[in-house]
Amino acid sequence: EPEVTQTPSHQVTQMGQEVILRCVPISNHLYFYWYRQILGQKVEFLVSFYNNEISEKSEIFDDQFSVERPDGSNFTLKIRSTKLEDSAMYFCASPVYARQGSNYGYTFGSGTRLTVV
Amino acid sequence: GQQVMQIPQYQHVQEGEDFTTYCNSSTTLSNIQWYKQRPGGHPVFLIQLVKSGEVKKQKRLTFQFGEAKKNSSLHITATQTTDVGTYFCAGVPTGGGNKLTFGTGTQLKVEL
Repeated sequence: EPEVTQTPSHQVTQMGQEVILRCVPISNHLYFYWYRQILGQKVEFLVSFYNNEISEKSEIFDDQFSVERPDGSNFTLKIRSTKLEDSAMYFCASPVYARQGSNYGYTFGSGTRLTVV
Repeated sequence: GQQVMQIPQYQHVQEGEDFTTYCNSSTTLSNIQWYKQRPGGHPVFLIQLVKSGEVKKQKRLTFQFGEAKKNSSLHITATQTTDVGTYFCAGVPTGGGNKLTFGTGTQLKVEL
C-alpha cells in the first residue's frame, strides 16, 4: 500500500523559533493536505495543496504558516514563529484514488509531534 | 462553518458487546468517510459512503449514511480488544472540494 512519510517524528522547539515539518506524499499525486491534532482532540484541516499552489486553507493557517514544495517529491509545512498553542501532531495526507479515478479516502502519514516549550 | 459532531465521546464496553457511534453534520455532505486512530497513531481510512441511505459492511463493522446525507453511524458487532481506538467520521461538504472536516471522535475502550 502506498505510504506517506513524515519527518521528523518528534520536534521540540523553543517558543518563537521556526520549524519545518516535512512530508513525502504518495508519488504522482497532485493533491496533498496538512492536518493537525491537538492532544486528545479532533483532527483539524490546515491547508490543501494542488499542483504547486494552495487550493484551500483554514482559519488556523494564518500568516505564521506556509507550505512549499521545495523539490519534486517533498512538501514542507513551515511555522515561522512558534507559539505554545502550536503544540500538536501534524499530519500530512494524500488522497487515494479508486480505479475509476474518483477520490476514495486519504492515506495519512504517521505524523510529527511538535512540542513548543 | 461546517461542524461535525459525534456521540458518544467515550464508550467502555466488555469484550463481545456491541458498539455504535453516531455522526452528525451541520451541512449536507457529498460523502462521509470513517477513520480509526489507535492511541499514539495516525488516522487510518476505513470506508467511504457516497449514496443517500447507503449501508456497507466490513466483517463486524456496519456503516450507514443517512437519507439526508447529513448523518452517519458505525456499528461494531461483538467488539474485540483489537477494536480499541478512536473512531472519527469525516465529511466532505457538498460543493466543498476535497476538504475533509473531521468529527469530534468516539473513543472506544474494550475490557476483557
